[in-house]
Amino acid sequence: QVQLVQSGAQVEKPGASVKVSCKASGYTFTDYYIHWVRQAPGQGLEWMGWVNPNSGDTHYAQKFQGRVTMTRDTSISTAYMELRGLVSDDTAVFYCAREHSDSGTYYKSFDHWGLGTLVTVSS
Amino acid sequence: QSALTQPPSASGSPGQSVTISCTGTSSDVGAYNYVSWYQQHPGKAPKLMIYEVTKRPSGVPDRFSGSKSGNTASLTVSGLQAEDEADYYCSSFTDDKNPYVFGTGTKVTVL
Repeated sequence: QVQLVQSGAQVEKPGASVKVSCKASGYTFTDYYIHWVRQAPGQGLEWMGWVNPNSGDTHYAQKFQGRVTMTRDTSISTAYMELRGLVSDDTAVFYCAREHSDSGTYYKSFDHWGLGTLVTVSS
Repeated sequence: QSALTQPPSASGSPGQSVTISCTGTSSDVGAYNYVSWYQQHPGKAPKLMIYEVTKRPSGVPDRFSGSKSGNTASLTVSGLQAEDEADYYCSSFTDDKNPYVFGTGTKVTVL
């Protein structure tokens, strides 16, 4: 079965960086885009960007441009999201999610999600 | 890119139906048949319930259905059950620099 296992909760100071991992299993890692979605406490979902595990290509939401980097390591089927220059408003649960696709058809939706990683930014 | 607009709350008694709206613009909901809906229980990850406006992934009950008219998409939950009580978010592909946008979320309460 498809699983996306994320790294554990982290506490970071303002100005620091955080790197969250997302290990995929149960499918061919390079066949599906990985997206990252943020959810602040009590708030809605916010799309951050995607990484193409096959090529390493990325596309970031304008809001996070210059502050986020999404990468992957195909040897261990793991995607990463690094966010720099943390501020208190970055306190959130960060989810990785697999793009729903089938044989080259992309459905622009997210069919499998990790459990989320809580990042707390606090001095 | 602003979030898609959803009502903050909706409710219904067991067995009844509830419909949630998701209003966007001609650049997102109105432009593409790439509207999806997600169910999120407290403390849990979102779950895909509807994609491409009307399609259900395998395993999602047919009590869940989606539709779209113009710039507004809708999710209907028929035959409400206690386990349907959750937050629901719509999402759409857009022609904006940010290609994905989520709705503001709707809390569904089963009375």
